[in-house]
Amino acid sequence: AQSVAQPEDQVNVAEGNPLTVKCTYSVSGNPYLFWYVQYPNRGLQFLLKYITGDNLVKGSYGFEAEFNKSQTSFHLKKPSALVSDSALYFCAVRDYTGRRALTFGSGTRLQVQP
Amino acid sequence: GAVVSQHPSRVICKSGTSVKIECRSLDFQATTMFWYRQFPKQSLMLMATSNEGSKATYEQGVEKDKFLINHASLTLSTLTVTSAHPEDSSFYICSVIGTVFSGNTIYFGEGSWLTVV
Repeated sequence: AQSVAQPEDQVNVAEGNPLTVKCTYSVSGNPYLFWYVQYPNRGLQFLLKYITGDNLVKGSYGFEAEFNKSQTSFHLKKPSALVSDSALYFCAVRDYTGRRALTFGSGTRLQVQP
Repeated sequence: GAVVSQHPSRVICKSGTSVKIECRSLDFQATTMFWYRQFPKQSLMLMATSNEGSKATYEQGVEKDKFLINHASLTLSTLTVTSAHPEDSSFYICSVIGTVFSGNTIYFGEGSWLTVV
């Protein structure tokens, strides 16, 4: 079975500082990894994905994530946080052993303070 | 622009009635759509996989007779909550797998808030 862990319920960071939102995964075979952001009362917006290739993936709004196979991690990062980045972030994994839906982590609330 | 359209965004219904939520793929044909539900401050839980032209595949613990899924065309899947009860109140979100050209990215609708009173 595939699973995703987001160990932090909330991450607080000051505006302008770098941010990291952690994610580790467990999946059979090669993982397809995703990050989504959810603003209050809204659906999910796609940020970035890792399928294959470079371990550092660049996505929307200045976010990036680094795939680390040995640590089974896919942490989301941004060099300089904005107040408008405050939202709920979900890491998700998908494999190709017959199950095509995404499995989500529990979510991490990012709070960027001015 | 939006890739997936979900309607209604909010609905209030009386206990015992049924309510239908629509999910439309706007940019491409989708043979497979997924339905998730999200309780407040919790993660998304997969309810079922909607397959065009065939029966939906439900996750363990999801009542297929209560949550009816119809995927009648390549661009539309509907979720009907039958005989709704207050505990069915939740945020329901559909998702669609994009084409190979979009890297098989999975897109989500804006979600539908269901409140059963």
